[in-house]
Amino acid sequence: DAGITQSPRHKVTETGTPVTLRCHQTENHRYMYWYRQDPGHGLRLIHYSYGVKDTDKGEVSDGYSVSRSKTEDFLLTLESATSSQTSVYFCAISTGTGNEKLFFGSGTQLSVL
Amino acid sequence: LAKTTQPISMDSYEGQEVNITCSHNNIATNDYITWYQQFPSQGPRFIIQGYKTKVTNEVASLFIPADRKSSTLSLPRVSLSDTAVYYCLVGTLVYNQGGKLIFGQGTELSVKP
Repeated sequence: DAGITQSPRHKVTETGTPVTLRCHQTENHRYMYWYRQDPGHGLRLIHYSYGVKDTDKGEVSDGYSVSRSKTEDFLLTLESATSSQTSVYFCAISTGTGNEKLFFGSGTQLSVL
Repeated sequence: LAKTTQPISMDSYEGQEVNITCSHNNIATNDYITWYQQFPSQGPRFIIQGYKTKVTNEVASLFIPADRKSSTLSLPRVSLSDTAVYYCLVGTLVYNQGGKLIFGQGTELSVKP
């Protein structure tokens, strides 16, 4: 949808290992976001980016870092994965022109054992 | 940042009109109100957006009173396929004035035959 690809779609990893999730867009949109979704918590913003090398924290940024070296790619890294980071991760994009509509990727199911 | 409050869940029957109200008391002047629909195992998708008064498209209507402290999503004649979670999002991405788009808990709508 809307030229957004998340990879991997599914990942199982062990506690303490580093994990990187990738979001790739072909829309040349300025803003990119990472959300996580857990039962009973809805969508929670982790980090977002408003341009290359420009990022900011969201609601639940502890334990996560991001990087955006190109307009089309936004990486989310769990430096040392914990079981509490088991979740579905969604990437979203928007143009950044004011009346924003978010376009979401299909999500990455991450399980930390 | 505008915080939103919605009912956690709603039940309806096929063919009925469903109205979901979102409260956003501290909405800012530049904020738009956007509603998203999410099916299980998918990312949210845009339904409708408004700034004030009434907006209608092919799937829904959005009613916004003059004070803009709440909004109501109206789904006419729902069907079983409208069973989903509906999110109200308030925010703007005018350059240097926003970016932290935070979702509320969402409303889980269950449509019964």
